[in-house]
Amino acid sequence: VMTQTPASLSVSPGESATLSCRASEAVSSNLAWYQQKPGQSPRLLIYGASSRATGIPDRFRGSGSGTEFTLTITSLQSEDFAVYFCQQYINWPYTFGQGTKLEIK
Amino acid sequence: VQLVQSGAEVKRPGASVKVSCKASGYDFISLYMHWVRQAPGRGLEWMGLINPNGGMTTYARKFQGRVTLTRDTSTSTVYMEVRSLRSEDTATYFCARGGSIYGDNSDEYYQFWGQGTLLTVSS
Repeated sequence: VMTQTPASLSVSPGESATLSCRASEAVSSNLAWYQQKPGQSPRLLIYGASSRATGIPDRFRGSGSGTEFTLTITSLQSEDFAVYFCQQYINWPYTFGQGTKLEIK
Repeated sequence: VQLVQSGAEVKRPGASVKVSCKASGYDFISLYMHWVRQAPGRGLEWMGLINPNGGMTTYARKFQGRVTLTRDTSTSTVYMEVRSLRSEDTATYFCARGGSIYGDNSDEYYQFWGQGTLLTVSS
């Protein structure tokens, strides 16, 4: 089971946001983060817990291993306000967290 | 790389639906294809995967016996069939390209997704 906290977060543009994801069992570094906007497919941000996907700006940073993971977004831009999901891909079923909604304050 | 899914569907409870995902721009048989669904306003739910090279499948326990994944290598298309539909199956269904069938699971994240297929189950 993947548990994301908080469920929602209100942050002002230009500030930073820290999103957490906890796994009920160790998943090594097989952890991805996705961003999803309304009506769109999810977009890969981070894989291997800390590697940025192609084209993802360096204000997105992933960290952690084992059971505790963090996605930090610095200097929030208007386009960053969305829902974020973590996913473990070490064992089937490849479960997702329930998501964190990042809202404009 | 492109994953193009079939269009929206409306079905009655008890019916079946088959959704397609046509892949292009890469070696179709060398990478797993996964399916993920999302109920309205809800999170992402992993359903299962297929190995296009041979057709081996793995399903989440919740979907075993009611969902079948198949593939057509001649058209680079994966199909997902759901039987005995109920209202709780109303969701957007996504295909997503996984990792190499020859490697470990370290690359089983989803760089590429289909555009989603909305399935509505209603009487």
